Amino acid sequence: AQSVTQLDSQVPVFEEAPVELRCNYSSSVSVYLFWYVQYPNQGLQLLLKYLSGSTLVKGINGFEAEFNKSQTSFHLRKPSVHISDTAEYFCAVSEVTGGGNKLTFGTGTQLKVEL
Amino acid sequence: GAGVSQSPSNKVTEKGKDVELRCDPISGHTALYWYRQSLGQGLEFLIYFQGNSAPDKSGLPSDRFSAERTGGSVSTLTIQRTQQEDSAVYLCASRPPSGGLGTQYFGPGTRLLVL
Repeated sequence: AQSVTQLDSQVPVFEEAPVELRCNYSSSVSVYLFWYVQYPNQGLQLLLKYLSGSTLVKGINGFEAEFNKSQTSFHLRKPSVHISDTAEYFCAVSEVTGGGNKLTFGTGTQLKVEL
Repeated sequence: GAGVSQSPSNKVTEKGKDVELRCDPISGHTALYWYRQSLGQGLEFLIYFQGNSAPDKSGLPSDRFSAERTGGSVSTLTIQRTQQEDSAVYLCASRPPSGGLGTQYFGPGTRLLVL
């Protein structure tokens, strides 16, 4: 079984400032890692994913994340946020083999960008 | 192209009634998932369909919940004798064949309120 921890339930940040949303996971098997974003009253949209290879993954809207196997982390970063980035962000994992790629999610981090 | 669609977008029902929620996956996607998003439990996996294989029902919270997928396409999630704790947003996702490498595409969800 896997678990995902997002320690920060809310992160306030000023526009144009950098941001990091933290994600740690626990798993006894190899996993794929994902970040999804959910805008108000909308479904989940994939931001980026780590499958294999380079540990630095770039996604949409200027976001990137780095996979750190030794620390079992997959933190999400953006060097300069915009008001439109205000949303809830979910980190998720799925097993590489078996499990049907069903996702285990963290509890989410609400990013609030202020002027 | 068309994304995952779900209907209805909102459903209000009385405790004890049965409800059916529908999901139309992206054409050609072989895998289909149901998740539930609630305040108390966050985002949790419910059930997974892959082609003609038996579904993975390991996430269904009780025997009042069931789902079917007809013709490998449309899926219906049925909740019998609804309870107030069933109030949540029910999300459907689909995944392409193996080339998708785990990426799931989510619909907008059905917001269920049980009075």
